[in-house]
Amino acid sequence: GEDVEQSLFLSVREGDSSVINCTYTDSSSTYLYWYKQEPGAGLQLLTYIFSNMDMKQDQRLTVLLNKKDKHLSLRIADTQTGDSAIYFCAERPGSGFQKLVFGTGTRLLVSP
Amino acid sequence: DAGVIQSPRHEVTEMGQEVTLRCKPISGHDYLFWYRQTMMRGLELLIYFNNNVPIDDSGMPEDRFSAKMPNASFSTLKIQPSEPRDSAVYFCASSPLAGVAEQYFGPGTRLTVT
Repeated sequence: GEDVEQSLFLSVREGDSSVINCTYTDSSSTYLYWYKQEPGAGLQLLTYIFSNMDMKQDQRLTVLLNKKDKHLSLRIADTQTGDSAIYFCAERPGSGFQKLVFGTGTRLLVSP
Repeated sequence: DAGVIQSPRHEVTEMGQEVTLRCKPISGHDYLFWYRQTMMRGLELLIYFNNNVPIDDSGMPEDRFSAKMPNASFSTLKIQPSEPRDSAVYFCASSPLAGVAEQYFGPGTRLTVT
């Protein structure tokens, strides 16, 4: 079946790099996504990576994909207090359906 | 574009009452999703529609929950009768058919059943 797992919490200091990890089970996933949820708001797409890529960089964000180990990571460089939020990893299964499978979310706390 | 619109933003009701949550997806999007988020269970997919037709309702908790999409610009999620364990944040999301198929989420409706 499809399952996406993440660690629950991560705490970093402002200016450090943050790395949020995710593992998934569907080896035929086509796209993998990172969403951000700020308090009292809906999920917002941060970035995504196609399954035939192993890295994608977008300003302070770097996504690494290890397809062999079914491992996805999101690195945030120069983390700011405004980055404090819950980060969700999601996969689009290769079964051809439009739905996404979301992880449990990682709560990132950035301290000054 | 206004994004996905949900109403009401907050709803407080008594156990046994009927609750109706509303969603307007982004114009032109072919898919609409209803999710529920709680601390205990995280983000759960309840049901999704393609071109107004329900495709997968396996996440709907029980018969007290029903969802409709009478046209491309409107959907409702109804709970009748409501129970305290239905208290959660309910999100609606929409996505286009083609390409990356990313989902765009609304701001959510926070439901409290007392």
